[in-house]
Amino acid sequence: KAGVTQTPRYLIKTRGQQVTLSCSPISGHRSVSWYQQTPGQGLQFLFEYFSETQRNKGNFPGRFSGRQFSNSRSEMNVSTLELGDSALYLCASSLGGSMTDTQYFGPGTRLTVL
Amino acid sequence: GESVGLHLPTLSVQEGDNSIINCAYSNSASDYFIWYKQESGKGPQFIIDIRSNMDKRQGQRVTVLLNKTVKHLSLQIAATQPGDSAVYFCAENRLPGGGNKLTFGTGTQLKVEL
Repeated sequence: KAGVTQTPRYLIKTRGQQVTLSCSPISGHRSVSWYQQTPGQGLQFLFEYFSETQRNKGNFPGRFSGRQFSNSRSEMNVSTLELGDSALYLCASSLGGSMTDTQYFGPGTRLTVL
Repeated sequence: GESVGLHLPTLSVQEGDNSIINCAYSNSASDYFIWYKQESGKGPQFIIDIRSNMDKRQGQRVTVLLNKTVKHLSLQIAATQPGDSAVYFCAENRLPGGGNKLTFGTGTQLKVEL
């Protein structure tokens, strides 16, 4: 079974631009979560989508948004990019029915904001 | 200026020795704990998990111990191998009502010396 895939793997943007990242979960998984990983803050939860609805949200500004499609694929968008948004953005998928469902992570998208 | 990164504790062990990685958590209401391994350039990889109603759980070469009294979690790796070199994160889920919203620890760098 194919793992979680994320595209693109690397991205360079400039301040003020916006960016969209994509995540394809493992087949059959209905929950997709997004995390930001930086050297300064570590791994931080952004949001979770389940059956096309945002089920949980972390403490990030409204510039960070996401959505999930009927095939469970998910996208996250960051508008008005800031230098501090440079990070590794990780997507994780799980079956979603229970909090103990294992979350499987993708390789991440490395975003650099110049 | 240059951002200050998290200071990752480092554990250096000899190949073949046992490793013990520790983690303290803050929320006594957390129900579910997971250990992840992250190799350079990759997303976190699930190792083992434990529910709060358990004290110990064993997997292949790994054991997780949970001490709820002092809110402490540990990961023991038997016969550590070079392939075990990575950053190890503990994570907790604080949503007994469902959903996935993992809170990660800062991580421990495990270095295996030949």
